[in-house]
Amino acid sequence: TQLLEQSPQFLSIQEGENLTVYCNSSSVFSSLQWYRQEPGEGPVLLVTVVTGGEVKKLKRLTFQFGDARKDSSLHITAAQPGDTGLYLCAGGNTGTASKLTFGTGTRLQVTL
Amino acid sequence: DARVTQTPRHKVTEMGQEVTMRCQPILGHNTVFWYRQTMMQGLELLAYFRNRAPLDDSGMPKDRFSAEMPDATLATLKIQPSEPRDSAVYFCASGLVLDGRTGYNQPQHFGDGTRLSIL
Repeated sequence: TQLLEQSPQFLSIQEGENLTVYCNSSSVFSSLQWYRQEPGEGPVLLVTVVTGGEVKKLKRLTFQFGDARKDSSLHITAAQPGDTGLYLCAGGNTGTASKLTFGTGTRLQVTL
Repeated sequence: DARVTQTPRHKVTEMGQEVTMRCQPILGHNTVFWYRQTMMQGLELLAYFRNRAPLDDSGMPKDRFSAEMPDATLATLKIQPSEPRDSAVYFCASGLVLDGRTGYNQPQHFGDGTRLSIL
């Protein structure tokens, strides 16, 4: 069974701070997706990375896929209260017919 | 913006009762997923369908759970009989997968979930 461990589990920071969330596995994934989930809503896709070493930027968010495709990170610069939510990584593999393995989640709270 | 619609949004019922959750996937999407989310277990895949055919329901307790797609616009998840340990938020997600070999790259679009409480 492939597992994705995220760290930290919880993070409470003030507006303007930087933070990094990690997503680690002992297994190789063909791709990694990151989702954000706000209270009372379903997860929403932020980004998909498919190549080892790939870096993608989405405004203040920077996503990186590890060279060995076993890990990923999400860095947020100058966090804002609107970044508050549950961040989930999800790994996919060839042959799993579009099934994703979701990580354990990182709950982020950004306060003023 | 097209959205996945789930009903009901909230359900409170007593142990032993039948529960039916419904999902309307985004029009044109051919893959539908059912997930369960709890604080302890996180987001778990229960079952999923491609072109209305079940592909994998290994995450689902077969003795009490059943998932179906009567037509392309409706997916259902039933629990009978329900138990307190079934209390969770159930999500439906849909996606468009044209090539099963690379379908894992495609985004999954989630509904807002059904919050189920079994007393």
